[in-house]
Amino acid sequence: DIQMTQSPSTLSASVGDRVTITCRASQTISSWLAWYQQKPGKAPKLLIYKASTLRSGVPSRFSGSGSGTEFTLTISSLQPDDFATYYCQQYDTYLTFGQGTKVEIK
Amino acid sequence: EVQLVQSGAELKKPGESLKISCKGSGYSFTNFWIGWVRQVPGKGLEWMGTIYPGDSETRYSPSFQGQVTISVDQPSKTSYLQWTTLKASDTAIYYCARLAMYGSGTYLLYFDYWGQGTLVTVSS
Repeated sequence: DIQMTQSPSTLSASVGDRVTITCRASQTISSWLAWYQQKPGKAPKLLIYKASTLRSGVPSRFSGSGSGTEFTLTISSLQPDDFATYYCQQYDTYLTFGQGTKVEIK
Repeated sequence: EVQLVQSGAELKKPGESLKISCKGSGYSFTNFWIGWVRQVPGKGLEWMGTIYPGDSETRYSPSFQGQVTISVDQPSKTSYLQWTTLKASDTAIYYCARLAMYGSGTYLLYFDYWGQGTLVTVSS
């Protein structure tokens, strides 16, 4: 099975900060990676797919990069609505999520 | 508007059976894979399995194979997740979600629309 490891597990940041979350795959997954945002008590929401394609309607401050085994999600200027937990998901072999990264207020 | 509406919260005892549902609307239900995802409270997301409503082809995560059954009813545009013998460790929120590509070519996709989740609590 492909394991997905996110870092950090928790990130403390302020409004306006540039934030980067990393997701590493245990084997190569090409660009078959998606990112989701989840807020407490809510279902996850798709942000990015195929590693770097922004879903329509998602703010442009979100961006994704990477291929192979290492990927990043960047929020260029953190907004109050962005405090949430973020998950990566590979779809190369079966479907596997990372363990999540909680972005909290500093 | 694409919507996935799940059945309500359940409180069950260990050993009981359960079937929860997910009704799709606003799109061609038979032409998109539906997946089920488990989230233990306070924990991460786990893919359980997926079904293609057009022909009921089903794929399970190895971790959940044999533990649950995923099914679909085309006329009512509803997918189901079923347990025959619940355990306390099945306590979780269960989400259904649509996989983001028209057609049955592959289930190896990302999820573009999610249901609101069904909380299942198993306790004696």
